[in-house]
Amino acid sequence: KQEVTQIPAALSVPEGENLVLNCSFTDSAIYNLQWFRQDPGKGLTSLLLIQSSQREQTSGRLNASLDKSSGRSTLYIAASQPGDSATYLCAVPNRDDKIIFGKGTRLHILP
Amino acid sequence: ETGVTQSPTHLIKTRGQQVTLRCSSQSGHNTVSWYQQALGQGPQFIFQYYREEENGRGNFPPRFSGLQFPNYSSELNVNALELDDSALYLCASSFSGGAEDTQYFGPGTRLTVL
Repeated sequence: KQEVTQIPAALSVPEGENLVLNCSFTDSAIYNLQWFRQDPGKGLTSLLLIQSSQREQTSGRLNASLDKSSGRSTLYIAASQPGDSATYLCAVPNRDDKIIFGKGTRLHILP
Repeated sequence: ETGVTQSPTHLIKTRGQQVTLRCSSQSGHNTVSWYQQALGQGPQFIFQYYREEENGRGNFPPRFSGLQFPNYSSELNVNALELDDSALYLCASSFSGGAEDTQYFGPGTRLTVL
């Protein structure tokens, strides 16, 4: 059974700092991994999708890495801004192709 | 290109009532998935519909049911509402069979059961 864990559960950092969010999954037989952003009370916005053949994906100040063999992914945010404050969710498909989410990391960027 | 839309935005019901939530898929998508997100938790998969047929179900009781229509829009029905059904309900659409299988999420429906 696929389980996804995100550490830390919450994080507060001063504006301008670089930061790393962590995601681990128990079943490495995945074909992709996705990072989402969720603002309070809102739906999910897809940030990055990494295929299993890739090791990383970049979009602007965001960089996501994937290490399938160790069951880990990281989301790196460079030069953080107050607008980055949100919950970040990691998600992978299970063997039935259904998406399993972590509980998320609540990020607060201090102005 | 129209994104995923959901209605209503918010809904308040009492225990024992029934509720129907609606989702319109993004143009060109043929698959809809529904998720329940309790406060402080990640979304939990409820079920998925592909070409009007249920295509997988999570650990939810039969009082959670769904439909997908020929235009690929979808409904989530919940009977005999319980207090624990209070959550944000998200739908996501995708295109199954193509090179990209990214799910695009709607804004969600916030259901409160009193």
